[in-house]
Amino acid sequence: QKEVEQNSGPLSVPEGAIASLNCTYSDRGSQSFFWYRQYSGKSPELIMSIYSNGDKEDGRFTAQLNKASQYVSLLIRDSQPSDSATYLCAVNRSGGSNYKLTFGKGTLLTVNP
Amino acid sequence: EPEVTQTPSHQVTQMGQEVILRCVPISNHLYFYWYRQILGQKVEFLVSFYNNEISEKSEIFDDQFSVERPDGSNFTLKIRSTKLEDSAMYFCASSEGAQKLFFGSGTQLSVL
Repeated sequence: QKEVEQNSGPLSVPEGAIASLNCTYSDRGSQSFFWYRQYSGKSPELIMSIYSNGDKEDGRFTAQLNKASQYVSLLIRDSQPSDSATYLCAVNRSGGSNYKLTFGKGTLLTVNP
Repeated sequence: EPEVTQTPSHQVTQMGQEVILRCVPISNHLYFYWYRQILGQKVEFLVSFYNNEISEKSEIFDDQFSVERPDGSNFTLKIRSTKLEDSAMYFCASSEGAQKLFFGSGTQLSVL
């Protein structure tokens, strides 16, 4: 069974610190990788997507992918209280248009003012 | 930003009853999806739909589930005979090809 594993947390960081979230996946055929943010009772919201090994930066967010280690991470710099949410890692076997995503259970992040 | 719209936001039903969850995907999107999330659990893929047919479905999507695009705007999920374990948040999503996947705000289904 194809699995995506995340530390459930909670991960607690002070405001302004770097939050580091990690994810491993079991399916070596995975092609595309995503980080979603989910506030309690709300729908997932895409934060980052990454498709090739290395780092991808977007504002305060950096996604890192290592396909050999089957590992994806998300760094949040200058963490804000509004970043407090559950962060979901998701992987897609297809590199194309069909979003059959496999999600992890999520890591709860709390940013303390 | 464009939105995927889901109705109703909450649905309460009796076990064994049929429910229809409704979604209006973003207008120029071609790919439509249903996901569900049982309270405290992972978001799970149910089904994808493209060109008026199911393109892929999960093991969860058994014969009690069906999807339909009855007209040019709506996309529905029907659960024929609901069970207690169908209680979950159901998310509709759509995408324009390989671009960003947009999720709707969800329908919370409670089966009593």
